[in-house]
Amino acid sequence: DAGITQSPRHKVTETGTPVTLRCHQTENHRYMYWYRQDPGHGLRLIHYSYGVKDTDKGEVSDGYSVSRSKTEDFLLTLESATSSQTSVYFCAISESMDPNTEAFFGQGTRLTVV
Amino acid sequence: GDSVTQMEGPVTLSEEAFLTINCTYTATGYPSLFWYVQYPGEGLQLLLKATKADDKGSNKGFEATYRKETTSFHLEKGSVQVSDSAVYFCALRRSSASKIIFGSGTRLSIRP
Repeated sequence: DAGITQSPRHKVTETGTPVTLRCHQTENHRYMYWYRQDPGHGLRLIHYSYGVKDTDKGEVSDGYSVSRSKTEDFLLTLESATSSQTSVYFCAISESMDPNTEAFFGQGTRLTVV
Repeated sequence: GDSVTQMEGPVTLSEEAFLTINCTYTATGYPSLFWYVQYPGEGLQLLLKATKADDKGSNKGFEATYRKETTSFHLEKGSVQVSDSAVYFCALRRSSASKIIFGSGTRLSIRP
């Protein structure tokens, strides 16, 4: 199994509070991704990173920010959590931009905003 | 933009039935295509992939053929088992993009 750890695995937070989710990898892969999974929508890309300090937006980036100060860590921050951000969040990593390269996924973080 | 469309679920079959889950895509160029599987309470894991037209990916009895003319990558299995119950995602990745685009997922339930 690829070495990807997401923390926390479960979190309940109140509307309006900031929340940070962490993804840690031990594979030294260059590319890291944050997705959210919602019924009927599958996985939607929030943000991704193609190197330290290099990030870009995905299709549902509003209300989220990311940071990558080290190769192994990719943080997702909800600046002011809303109920619409209740979801399961998955981190993924990929070794290269080669389209034949698969992505490896973490176990997910279930976030509930009340 | 790039997109992946999967048949809606849930799909419920009896054990040993034949399975088809449809997947079509829209993308510029020649993407690589993937099927991922998500077992209950777990993250996604790669099931199979195909990197060019007419390639067939296969794994654990599942198969999918990259059909450029119909922009499709349908997942098939000749005889499903209860242990195949999961959510299946079709995905694509283009050579000029870092992003991996997923379909909405198809939940499969197999009855004993």
